[in-house]
Amino acid sequence: QAQLVQSGPEVKRPGASVKVSCKASGYAIETFGFTWVRQAPGQGLEWMGWIGATNGFIEIAQHLQGRVTLTSDPSTSTAYMELRSLRSDDTAVYYCARSPGGPPSGGDIWGPGTMVTVSS
Amino acid sequence: QTVVTQEPSLTVSPGGTVTLTCASNTGAVTSGFHPNWIQQKPGQAPRSLIYSSTYKHSWTPARFSGSLLGGKAALTLSGVQPEDEAHYYCLLYVGGARWVFGGGTHLTVL
Repeated sequence: QAQLVQSGPEVKRPGASVKVSCKASGYAIETFGFTWVRQAPGQGLEWMGWIGATNGFIEIAQHLQGRVTLTSDPSTSTAYMELRSLRSDDTAVYYCARSPGGPPSGGDIWGPGTMVTVSS
Repeated sequence: QTVVTQEPSLTVSPGGTVTLTCASNTGAVTSGFHPNWIQQKPGQAPRSLIYSSTYKHSWTPARFSGSLLGGKAALTLSGVQPEDEAHYYCLLYVGGARWVFGGGTHLTVL
């Protein structure tokens, strides 16, 4: 069945970068893309962006533009989210989800999440 | 900048019915926002329940239903079970490939 597997937890210093991976299996990735969502401790979900799995189309939330890079490697069915210039308020669980980008779904299958801790 | 508003918390008795709502600061929530409803239990990843206002996934329990109600998106749980205690997030489409989450509703079953 369709599933997403994410990379393991990360601990980073302020100012560093982190790259989280999301590997898809069990479905044809060509018809979907990857949505990225994060959740700070005790807080709600925050939509970060979306990348098409094979067409290179990218949307990134305005407040994260300039710090987030989304990439996709169709040969390995893997998407990556890189966040630069890390701050303490970037500490969060980062999720990927399968999504066509536009309607009807913002994400149907979700990964388990990757904890990123930013601390000096 | 679209801001999506949900009730911060609601309480329902087991076996009861409860409706959660989702509003937009830009005006009425219509089918064009393709409202999604996402469930998240403590310590777990989110799980999508509803998409495009009313459509269920194969894994969505029958007691969950989505609708548009009085200019808002709505999620109704009928015959609430103890395991339905969770946070519920509304997700609205705002154009291109962009979506916005609501702040979430914490549903207590008591």
